[in-house]
Amino acid sequence: DAGVIQSPRHEVTEMGQEVTLRCKPISGHNSLFWYRQTMMRGLELLIYFNNNVPIDDSGMPEDRFSAKMPNASFSTLKIQPSEPRDSAVYFCASSFRAENTEAFFGQGTRLTVV
Amino acid sequence: DAKTTQPTSMDCAEGRAANLPCNHSTISGNEYVYWYRQIHSQGPQYIIHGLKNNETNEMASLIITEDRKSSTLILPHATLRDTAVYYCIVRTLLGTSGSRLTFGEGTQLTVNP
Repeated sequence: DAGVIQSPRHEVTEMGQEVTLRCKPISGHNSLFWYRQTMMRGLELLIYFNNNVPIDDSGMPEDRFSAKMPNASFSTLKIQPSEPRDSAVYFCASSFRAENTEAFFGQGTRLTVV
Repeated sequence: DAKTTQPTSMDCAEGRAANLPCNHSTISGNEYVYWYRQIHSQGPQYIIHGLKNNETNEMASLIITEDRKSSTLILPHATLRDTAVYYCIVRTLLGTSGSRLTFGEGTQLTVNP
C-alpha cells in the first residue's frame, strides 16, 4: 500500500477563495482524521470519521471549514472562504477503528493563503 | 481527553540511549499510550504503543509504570536522524465509535554528535 495520500502537497491561494484538500486513506482502514499544524497551536485534531461518518468535529474552527467522506477511500476538507490565518500544514491520518492499532499519517498539504 | 505532560526539550549524545518521559496521570484503565515522532514538517511517524506491559519493537522500547500514570520511551542507541519532536499520546476511547489521537506539545529531542 502506498500509505495515506494527500493532495495537493502545496497550495497557495488568495484570501476569499475556496480551497479543497484531499485525502486517500489506507485501504481497509475505517477511521480517518484531519489535523492542522501551526507553530502557534501545534497539531490540532479538526475532525474524526469512523466508517465514513463524522464522529467528532469539535475541532473544526468555524463554519468556513467543512469535511466530507463520501466513501471509504476518499475524504475532503474544504475551506470557503479562505483567510490568511488558515495558513498551516494540514495532515490526514487513517487507522483501523480499534484503539490498539496505530494511525498512519500522510505527508500533509502546506496551505498558504495570501 | 487524558492529558499528557512532557519536557519541552532534551539532548542526547549520539550512540547513547535517549529516555523520554511522559506523565499521564488521568489515563483510564483501557486507554493505550502511543508515541509518535515528527521530523521537520513531515507527517508524524508511529513509534510504539502499549497498554500495561512494556513493549519493544525495532525502533524503541516503551516502559509503562505499574500504576500506568507515566511512561518512558527509550531509543537504545540514538542517531542524528532521531532528532525530532516526540509526542506521547493517550488514545481516547469514544465508546463504539472508535478512538481518537490528540497531540500535545511534545518533546524536542536533539541528538548531538
